[in-house]
Amino acid sequence: KAGVTQTPRYLIKTRGQQVTLSCSPISGHRSVSWYQQTPGQGLQFLFEYFSETQRNKGNFPGRFSGRQFSNSRSEMNVSTLELGDSALYLCASSSNGQGGRSEQYFGPGTRLTVT
Amino acid sequence: AQSVTQLGSHVSVSEGALVLLRCNYSSSVPPYLFWYVQYPNQGLQLLLKYTSAATLVKGINGFEAEFKKSETSFHLTKPSAHMSDAAEYFCAVSYTGANSKLTFGKGITLSVRP
Repeated sequence: KAGVTQTPRYLIKTRGQQVTLSCSPISGHRSVSWYQQTPGQGLQFLFEYFSETQRNKGNFPGRFSGRQFSNSRSEMNVSTLELGDSALYLCASSSNGQGGRSEQYFGPGTRLTVT
Repeated sequence: AQSVTQLGSHVSVSEGALVLLRCNYSSSVPPYLFWYVQYPNQGLQLLLKYTSAATLVKGINGFEAEFKKSETSFHLTKPSAHMSDAAEYFCAVSYTGANSKLTFGKGITLSVRP
């Protein structure tokens, strides 16, 4: 079974631009979560989608948004990029019939650099 | 609020030595606990998880962890370190309920000396 895939793997953007990152979960998984990883703040939860609905959201500004499609693929969008948005963005999927006890499988991440 | 504390940011051991990475959690409800490993330029790989069954959990690559409610701990151990174990290790907690949000510790970098 193919793992979680994320595209693109690397991205360079300029302040003020917007960016869209894509995540394809493991086949059959209905839950997709997004995390931001930075050296200073570590791994922080952005949001979770389940069956096309946002089920949980972290403490990030409204510039960070996401969506999930009927095939469970997910995108996250960051508008009006700031230098502090430079990070590794990780996507994780789970089959999630069991909420918090479900194993989450992570993709390789998208490395976003904002200049 | 629930949280995870990983003591120290860097641990160095000799090849063949015991690996012990500490994790303490703070939770007002029974938690689910996880250890993940991250190699450079890669995502996170699940090593093991505790979901209220056996308190001693065995994972991949020879790692295991013991859930100790009285100490609110979930320390990760491996009897004999291998060079390939050098990576960053994260402890994480989630909770009962529908959502899958993981709260991570700051991570510990493990170095293995030949």
